[in-house]
Amino acid sequence: DQQVKQNSPSLSVQEGRISILNCDYTNSMFDYFLWYKKYPAEGPTFLISISSIKDKNEDGRFTVFLNKSAKHLSLHIVPSQPGDSAVYFCAASRVGTYKYIFGTGTRLKVLA
Amino acid sequence: NAGVTQTPKFQVLKTGQSMTLQCAQDMNHNSMYWYRQDPGMGLRLIYYSASEGTTDKGEVPNGYNVSRLNKREFSLRLESAAPSQTSVYFCASRPLASYEQYFGPGTRLTVT
Repeated sequence: DQQVKQNSPSLSVQEGRISILNCDYTNSMFDYFLWYKKYPAEGPTFLISISSIKDKNEDGRFTVFLNKSAKHLSLHIVPSQPGDSAVYFCAASRVGTYKYIFGTGTRLKVLA
Repeated sequence: NAGVTQTPKFQVLKTGQSMTLQCAQDMNHNSMYWYRQDPGMGLRLIYYSASEGTTDKGEVPNGYNVSRLNKREFSLRLESAAPSQTSVYFCASRPLASYEQYFGPGTRLTVT
């Protein structure tokens, strides 16, 4: 039972345009969500997070939106740059616990 | 600051052999984690240690054991390797007051 789903395995976007990566979750107990970026042959690096008490969090070119009623979050990258080409994972956790459930990842390719 | 280090980077084992994957962090983080990443499966939690002296099972603990040697080090042991354990293994750490995890560069393990 996949509790965190990233239904798009890959996405291609032109440089300068918006990239939108989606993530759905099934467990309503999750209340903290994170996005990680991963380059080949490296470990994932933290990008941005959001608590369930918010519906939006912004950090430079990256914005995460959370829709609790739909159990859906999205990561917007504006403008997209070739260096953003990587695999993006969403992850979910419960405040007060130490466990994380990761999605299967979306490979983003930004075309120059 | 080296962050999270993992040794070895690559390893090939024969079925039935044992080995220990080493992980160390120099950021004084309380929690440490072991994940495996397989194609199409995302990152799956094997074991975690919320704090020094404690360890708990994650999603896929079978065939593995862990030791939280001290605050810095968290090792993962395969007692009798199987081809199904061929994967990339990532160690991560997390500070007490944050949900952000810091990942090591990974160990690529092949079991033949």
